[in-house]
Amino acid sequence: DQQVKQNSPSLSVQEGRISILNCDYTNSMFDYFLWYKKYPAEGPTFLISISSIKDKNEDGRFTVFLNKSAKHLSLHIVPSQPGDSAVYFCAASPSPRRTGSARQLTFGSGTQLTVLP
Amino acid sequence: SQTIHQWPATLVQPVGSPLSLECTVEGTSNPNLYWYRQAAGRGLQLLFYSVGIGQISSEVPQNLSASRPQDRQFILSSKKLLLSDSGFYLCAWSLWVDTGELFFGEGSRLTVL
Repeated sequence: DQQVKQNSPSLSVQEGRISILNCDYTNSMFDYFLWYKKYPAEGPTFLISISSIKDKNEDGRFTVFLNKSAKHLSLHIVPSQPGDSAVYFCAASPSPRRTGSARQLTFGSGTQLTVLP
Repeated sequence: SQTIHQWPATLVQPVGSPLSLECTVEGTSNPNLYWYRQAAGRGLQLLFYSVGIGQISSEVPQNLSASRPQDRQFILSSKKLLLSDSGFYLCAWSLWVDTGELFFGEGSRLTVL
């Protein structure tokens, strides 16, 4: 059972336009959400995160929105640049206070973003 | 600054052969360490994590094992590889048990033939 789903395996966007990547989750114990960016043959790099006490977090061109009632989050990239072309992973985690262990991330399957010049 | 390295970067092994992937972290103490696998067309799957020397938690039953002989060293092993073990293996670390911000290594591409 996939607890974190990224239903769009790929997305193409024109340079300068907005990229919107979506992610849905099923586990109501998740309270922390992250986006990672991955280039081929490299490890993922952390991009932006959001706690369940917020509904929006912004960092430069990147904004993450969280809709807890819908169990949905999205990453907006504005304006999109060719260098943003990569695979984007959504990840979610329950509080370690609930699991009694180190925070563990559950990742989605990723969305390949291609920004066209 | 902290760095994480894993090796080898690429490995081609026959079915039934052993495996050893090594990961080391520099510039920090007592990190939480993780092994993830990315199979073709799939997301990152957590295989093992460790909060300290000799402490290993396994997330999925499998043909692999992990060990942490030193504070900043994490090893992924197998006695006999299966075809299904092929994939991209990623080591990661975090400092806090409460943070989800993981720092990943460069990854190791394993192909089992």
